[in-house]
This record gives sequence, C-alpha cells and structure tokens, in this order.
Amino acid sequence: ETGVTQTPRHLVMGMTNKKSLKCEQHLGHNAMYWYKQSAKKPLELMFVYNFKEQTENNSVPSRFSPECPNSSHLFLHLHTLQPEDSALYLCASSQVGSGRRYFGPGTRLTVT
Amino acid sequence: DQQVKQNSPSLSVQEGRISILNCDYTNSMFDYFLWYKKYPAEGPTFLISISSIKDKNEDGRFTVFLNKSAKHLSLHIVPSQPGDSAVYFCAARGGEIQGAQKLVFGQGTRLTINP
Repeated sequence: ETGVTQTPRHLVMGMTNKKSLKCEQHLGHNAMYWYKQSAKKPLELMFVYNFKEQTENNSVPSRFSPECPNSSHLFLHLHTLQPEDSALYLCASSQVGSGRRYFGPGTRLTVT
Repeated sequence: DQQVKQNSPSLSVQEGRISILNCDYTNSMFDYFLWYKKYPAEGPTFLISISSIKDKNEDGRFTVFLNKSAKHLSLHIVPSQPGDSAVYFCAARGGEIQGAQKLVFGQGTRLTINP
C-alpha cells in the first residue's frame, strides 16, 4: 500500500536541531492529519487540514509547526524538541466528511 | 478524560480459536465506530466499522458488535490466524472539525496468536 508515504522513517535529533517530517498522499483526498503515538497511549490528534486550511490545532506546543502547501503534501517542522517528544508520528488522509483515515507508515522520532 | 478505552493492553489466543477484543466509550454522541489493525513498522490500517444504528457488522472472519446501552463494542475474529497478531485500535467518531469528523482512539490491544 503506497497510498500515504512518510519520510524519513526514522529520525534521531538533538534538542537544538531543526528537522522536518514529510507526508504525501496519492489518494486524491482533501483532508490531512498529523497524529502522535506514544507508548501505551491512544493516538493523539495534533493537526487537521481541510482543503489546505488548518482547522484544528489540538493544543500542540509551538515547537511543532505544520505546513500544508497543497492537498497532497503535509509537513511537520520540528525545532527545540524535548526528549518527551520522542514518539511515532503518523500522517493520515481522508475525504472531508469521512470517518475513515488512511495512515502512512509513520516516522519514529527520537530526541536526545 | 479518555473517551475511548481498551482496558486489555494484551491478549493471547490459540490459533483456530476465537479472539475477542473489547472497547468501551463514554460519549453517547459517537455515531460511528472503527477498528484498525497495526503491524510493527507500519501505519494502522482500517479493518471494519459499524454505524451506531446497527448492532452487528460482519466481514469474513471479523465481526464487530455494538451495545449502545452499555457503550461497549467488541471485535470478534474467528478463526484466529497467526497473521492476525498485531495491535488493534478501536476508534469512535463524534463531533465536527469544520467538516472533517474527529476520531477518538483507544490505546490499543496487542493480540498474539499462538500456533
């Protein structure tokens, strides 16, 4: 399944680094999402974009900065992260109005 | 407050037997429920769903049951196969985010099928 792709798959960064996660969907969807999955916790919704417009920021710290240049691409810019930000970051897409999400494989992020 | 709960972090079942995964929710406004399956190093993939107007939905070896009065749903897998070993997430839809409905996920149950 290559409907939603994410790069990189693994990332190790120091607390002073700046990096970006990339997501691309090939399904013709018009909504894209960032989720965070920490160990033994539910998937946490971070950001939602409908038709390239951000419609939800789920109380996410400003050290996470999303960007959606078009309906097929989504970025998550990271800067001055903390060790507790280490997690699996999942991108997803859907049709607006659909409850079903299509997930990418995720980026495993480790902050040292 | 966690609105969707999967109280069993893990479950071990013998191959060929029935696997039953449970999920409880607190918000009576949820109108649609989904189960996702996740293998290591992959994203979650959709498995089966059920609308709140139904009490059962079946797809091959997978059946989801919904008990609205108890705010409980369950996923039955029969017969269980080794390839079913994965983490299973329950999710519930409720509320709108400007047209993109919000999904609330449980914390997942790791299912292991023993040969």
